[in-house]
Amino acid sequence: SQQGEEDPQALSIQEGENATMNCSYKTSINNLQWYRQNSGRGLVHLILIRSNEREKHSGRLRVTLDTSKKSSSLLITASRAADTASYFCATVPKFISSGSARQLTFGSGTQLTVLP
Amino acid sequence: SQTIHQWPATLVQPVGSPLSLECTVEGTSNPNLYWYRQAAGRGLQLLFYSVGIGQISSEVPQNLSASRPQDRQFILSSKKLLLSDSGFYLCAWTTTQAGVGTEAFFGQGTRLTVV
Repeated sequence: SQQGEEDPQALSIQEGENATMNCSYKTSINNLQWYRQNSGRGLVHLILIRSNEREKHSGRLRVTLDTSKKSSSLLITASRAADTASYFCATVPKFISSGSARQLTFGSGTQLTVLP
Repeated sequence: SQTIHQWPATLVQPVGSPLSLECTVEGTSNPNLYWYRQAAGRGLQLLFYSVGIGQISSEVPQNLSASRPQDRQFILSSKKLLLSDSGFYLCAWTTTQAGVGTEAFFGQGTRLTVV
């Protein structure tokens, strides 16, 4: 089942503008991650934020996490045409049973289009 | 450095034919391995994961099976494909090292079309 749900489903902006994508989830998490997927390719990890962190930066990326609201946002500043891709949030549960893997549960993604 | 190989990149198979997709990881040992399926324009659905050789956990009952014959090899199979098996299949791995981030590393995916 889907844990994270991204909002909006699609976003179209002009080059140079900022892009903000949101993610909501349902259960307690160990961490939340954001991934990028170019069309027809595998996913690439962008950034991980732990449940005890509120904000994290990586280059033009800024991620926030609000565990009380069970939500996260990804901000891409000064967007470029090359940022066009689908962006997914994924959650890792706080509690796992013995012998199980920490499974990533993905949302349905936001399709970002940056127009030149 | 670690790398993950997944093949083939595209596959067109008739209904009722068998399937075998292979994924191998290099540069790490004892990884957790995963098979995901992605429908067009949708998120990823976890199909199988493995924490060790011969250990397979299935998330969704279906026409598919998985095997892990070697530490860094993960195979997705079907004896008889259905039209509904069409999709984009992704292999991924995560480290099992304690205290290390649980980010996943993905293969480039296999586009399977069942006709």
